[in-house]
Amino acid sequence: DVKVTQSSRYLVKRTGEKVFLECVQDMDHENMFWYRQDPGLGLRLIYFSYDVKMKEKGDIPEGYSVSREKKERFSLILESASTNQTSMYLCASSLIRLNEKLFFGSGTQLSVL
Amino acid sequence: GQQLNQSPQSMFIQEGEDVSMNCTSSSIFNTWLWYKQDPGEGPVLLIALYKAGELTSNGRLTAQFGITRKDSFLNISASIPSDVGIYFCAGGNTGTASKLTFGTGTRLQVTL
Repeated sequence: DVKVTQSSRYLVKRTGEKVFLECVQDMDHENMFWYRQDPGLGLRLIYFSYDVKMKEKGDIPEGYSVSREKKERFSLILESASTNQTSMYLCASSLIRLNEKLFFGSGTQLSVL
Repeated sequence: GQQLNQSPQSMFIQEGEDVSMNCTSSSIFNTWLWYKQDPGEGPVLLIALYKAGELTSNGRLTAQFGITRKDSFLNISASIPSDVGIYFCAGGNTGTASKLTFGTGTRLQVTL
């Protein structure tokens, strides 16, 4: 089975801190994605990547950046965390030819105080 | 960015009841998918639909790709406690390197 692992289940950070969320997948998938999940808003795409060192903005990229130095790893960076970035963050991966079939990690619940 | 509207937002049902939920979009998609998120986990793909009018089943779950390509429906028959979770629809256009658009979710709770 595909495994997508997110490094932290819960994180608590302070306003202004730089925050790194890490995601690793073990099935050689080309595509990787970062979503945030908020009640009543569903899943919204922050950034995605089709290949190493490639990144594309999603629907809500403001305040975030990403890094993909290795195929299996996709990092989400909050340059200066703000309270409105308190949310559940979900990482996902997929094969490039089956990009609708996403495999998700268990999520990181981030609280920014 | 666009979001898909799901209805209902949440529902309480009794074990054994059938469940219906739907998802509507202002845009046409050539792929509709349904994901389920168990408490404390990430979403998992349940059903994928690729053709307008298509009806596909996965056990007690049946999903339909709306004929207008702007909507989709999911039915769960004879619900059981492990059906609890959040159900998300997603629309996409396969064949392009495009991203999925997810719905707002339907939270299902089952009482014994």
